Amino acid sequence: GENVEQHPSTLSVQEGDSAVIKCTYSDSASNYFPWYKQELGKRPQLIIDIRSNVGEKKDQRIAVTLNKTAKHFSLHITETQPEDSAVYFCAAFDTGRRALTFGSGTRLQVQP
Amino acid sequence: DGGITQSPKYLFRKEGQNVTLSCEQNLNHDAMYWYRQDPGQGLRLIYYSQIVNDFQKGDIAEGYSVSREKKESFPLTVTSAQKNPTAFYLCASSIEAEAFFGQGTRLTVV
Repeated sequence: GENVEQHPSTLSVQEGDSAVIKCTYSDSASNYFPWYKQELGKRPQLIIDIRSNVGEKKDQRIAVTLNKTAKHFSLHITETQPEDSAVYFCAAFDTGRRALTFGSGTRLQVQP
Repeated sequence: DGGITQSPKYLFRKEGQNVTLSCEQNLNHDAMYWYRQDPGQGLRLIYYSQIVNDFQKGDIAEGYSVSREKKESFPLTVTSAQKNPTAFYLCASSIEAEAFFGQGTRLTVV
């Protein structure tokens, strides 16, 4: 089955700086890679996703890159703001059982 | 209001008691999932269902059971065999791999 590793587990940046979170996956057949933001006690919210037929996708301050050869993908947040503080999860879609496998999460703290 | 609804939001279970968490969706999605989240950890797959009357075990199915009698509903029962059930439980439904989550149920053993 799919295995997803996520780094770092915690990340602290100054407001206005960029933040990068990286994930690797094990199953080369995986074809969908979403990123979720979860605030304390709340449900995960999809913030951006990428499918395996593209290498990069951008939505305002958020971008995701995918390297299929190396089996890794990254989340990039530019011009960070205090409201970006949350836990971020990457995931990969296991095409065998047709379910998302999640990374262990990154707690991002943006210092004002 | 469309979406996926979990109830209750908070649930307390006594030792040796079975409890059922409700999950309902009106998104017309075929696939539904249950995940467990422990403090400071990621989401782990308990059970999933791709179609009515069919479901499969995920990575941590021991001590849990589910049913999928209707497309809209995917209840999860936490049985007394689950020795450490205190956690945040998230239900999701999916179309073309994109998953939508309910607001979660926080289960505590008292």
